[in-house]
Amino acid sequence: EIVMTQSPATLSVSPGERATLSCRASQSVSSNLAWYQQKPGQAPRLLIYGASTRATGIPARFSGSGSGTEFTLTISSLQSEDFAVYYCQQYNNWPLFGPGTKVDIK
Amino acid sequence: EVQLVESGGGLVKPGGSLRLSCAASGFTFSNAWMSWVRQAPGKGLEWVGRIKSKTDGGTTDYAAPVKGRFTISRDDSKNTLFLQMNSLKTEDTAVYYCTTNEEYCTNGVCYYYFDYWGQGTLVTVSS
Repeated sequence: EIVMTQSPATLSVSPGERATLSCRASQSVSSNLAWYQQKPGQAPRLLIYGASTRATGIPARFSGSGSGTEFTLTISSLQSEDFAVYYCQQYNNWPLFGPGTKVDIK
Repeated sequence: EVQLVESGGGLVKPGGSLRLSCAASGFTFSNAWMSWVRQAPGKGLEWVGRIKSKTDGGTTDYAAPVKGRFTISRDDSKNTLFLQMNSLKTEDTAVYYCTTNEEYCTNGVCYYYFDYWGQGTLVTVSS
């Protein structure tokens, strides 16, 4: 059974700074990895699929990279609306989400 | 504009049943594969199950914790997705989201993700 981990659990960043979030799978998931953003009281929103393809309407400051077991979500210059929890999700035999990284204001 | 609107949540006793609905609009529902994803209070996201379109067989798959207790169905004439939940347990307490589900392979690479989400409906299982 695949285990997903995300690090760090909490990332404190100042507006305008770069944020780098990590997602790791216990075995290879190829490029079958998606990222979601969730703000308090809201549904998750798809940001990235296929490890690096931005979903419709997602700003270019969000980028995804990686393959196999190691993946990264980078937010190039944090805006106020980007403070949220970010989840990665893979599919092997079934979809599985990581535990999330909370990005908060430093 | 894609819209997914869940309803039917509420308070139910352990062992009880509840049926959630998800009204879809803004896309061709009959062609869509649909999933339910849940989130326990203060916790992360957990996939519940998925139903394919009828043209792709209409089959369902479920996560292990709900298999045999939950049933996903669809009424394409009403653009509505359902989640029938039986033998509910306290650990089923969560916000339940209806999502569209993309699953495909191209050029040797496969993709599986949830692209549109409803606002969620809260199910509380408590005595």
